[in-house]
Amino acid sequence: GDSVTQMEGPVTLSEEAFLTINCTYTATGYPSLFWYVQYPGEGLQLLLKATKADDKGSNKGFEATYRKETTSFHLEKGSVQVSDSAVYFCAQKGNNRLAFGKGNQVVVIP
Amino acid sequence: GAGVSQSPSNKVTEKGKDVELRCDPISGHTALYWYRQRLGQGLEFLIYFQGNSAPDKSGLPSDRFSAERTGESVSTLTIQRTQQEDSAVYLCASSVTLAASYEQYFGPGTRLTVT
Repeated sequence: GDSVTQMEGPVTLSEEAFLTINCTYTATGYPSLFWYVQYPGEGLQLLLKATKADDKGSNKGFEATYRKETTSFHLEKGSVQVSDSAVYFCAQKGNNRLAFGKGNQVVVIP
Repeated sequence: GAGVSQSPSNKVTEKGKDVELRCDPISGHTALYWYRQRLGQGLEFLIYFQGNSAPDKSGLPSDRFSAERTGESVSTLTIQRTQQEDSAVYLCASSVTLAASYEQYFGPGTRLTVT
């Protein structure tokens, strides 16, 4: 069935470092893809999305490109801030629902 | 405006007891979803409601789980005879319509601990 796989483990990095979180998907066809973010003490919120192959979603300095060749949607940010510390979830749109990955906790150290 | 709210924020219960979790969606959102997040796991879809249509219950893990929603308002998720494996964070989300399910607005969740 449809599924999303995120890289294992938390990510700890220093302020202004480059961030990459890997995400790959398994699906029939080309589903819309999303990154959601959960800041401490808050609910999940949509960070960015891409609805077709080669689309690039971007928001708040984050980017992700829909790569059908590698079935990937990796999240990147060139220079992270302490305020980016959160849990990031990759997701794909299935049949009237979203299928989420396990999430990655990102901790940015000043 | 007000976002999705859930209550209680935390619930500790003894094994075998029934629990009821509540979700208040964003006003005007016709679609409502329930998810479960176990420790170290991703979000697991449980059920969704769309207006007055029959809900999609395909994600409910057992017949101990049930959910109700009246129209486009509050929803309750009930877990009967709780088991330790039910311990998780239960998340509720709503979207304007089912077709817009890609943009779901999530509540803060209810952390359920079954002892």
